[in-house]
Amino acid sequence: QVQLQESGPGLVKPSETLSLTCTVSGGSVRSSSYYWSWIRQPPGKGLEWIGYIDYSGSTNFNPSLESRVTLSVDSSKNQFSLKLASVTAADTAVYYCARLGRDNAYLPRQYYFDYWGQGTLVTVSS
Amino acid sequence: DIQMTQSPSSLSASVGDRVTITCRASQSIADHLNWYQQEPGKAPYLLIYAASSLQSGVPSSFSGSGSGTDFTLTISSLQPEDFATYYCLQTYSTPYTFGQGTKLEIK
Repeated sequence: QVQLQESGPGLVKPSETLSLTCTVSGGSVRSSSYYWSWIRQPPGKGLEWIGYIDYSGSTNFNPSLESRVTLSVDSSKNQFSLKLASVTAADTAVYYCARLGRDNAYLPRQYYFDYWGQGTLVTVSS
Repeated sequence: DIQMTQSPSSLSASVGDRVTITCRASQSIADHLNWYQQEPGKAPYLLIYAASSLQSGVPSSFSGSGSGTDFTLTISSLQPEDFATYYCLQTYSTPYTFGQGTKLEIK
């Protein structure tokens, strides 16, 4: 059974960099079949896709955040990470890591977030 | 970006009711539409992908339909554990975008 677990500081000061790591168990970030993603949800609000990275380090970002986001993958630790620079109160949210899986039976392929971490609340405040 | 609009935003229903939630895309997304269920304090849970394919382990009381711009999620007979918030997500093109959510409450 694949499991994902977010870790990182729960409080970040304005203008600083938010850093989170997702540890994957029961599966490998080296797999070419998946993309490793970050999604966030401000308190009481909806979901926003941040971006994804694959095993080779290839990335795709939400343009609304692209200038501030860095994603990386560490296959030796079976982890992937998010850095969000220059944070403000608007970045306060529950941050989820998730696996973007695909069904190759469909052409074009169908994608979906099939495994999620439990989420971690990051508050931006001085 | 493709905008996803869900309706209604909230819905009150009783155990045993049949309910339908709709999701409309701002442009055609073929069948690249997922549905998720989210309980308070928990991560979203995949119910349906490719507009109508039931994810493994999801009860058959859930079904999805639609293509192009208009999609529906139907729960044929509500169970107590179904009262949650539901989101649609388009994976036709990046940036992937979610609907604003539909909160299903007990009447």
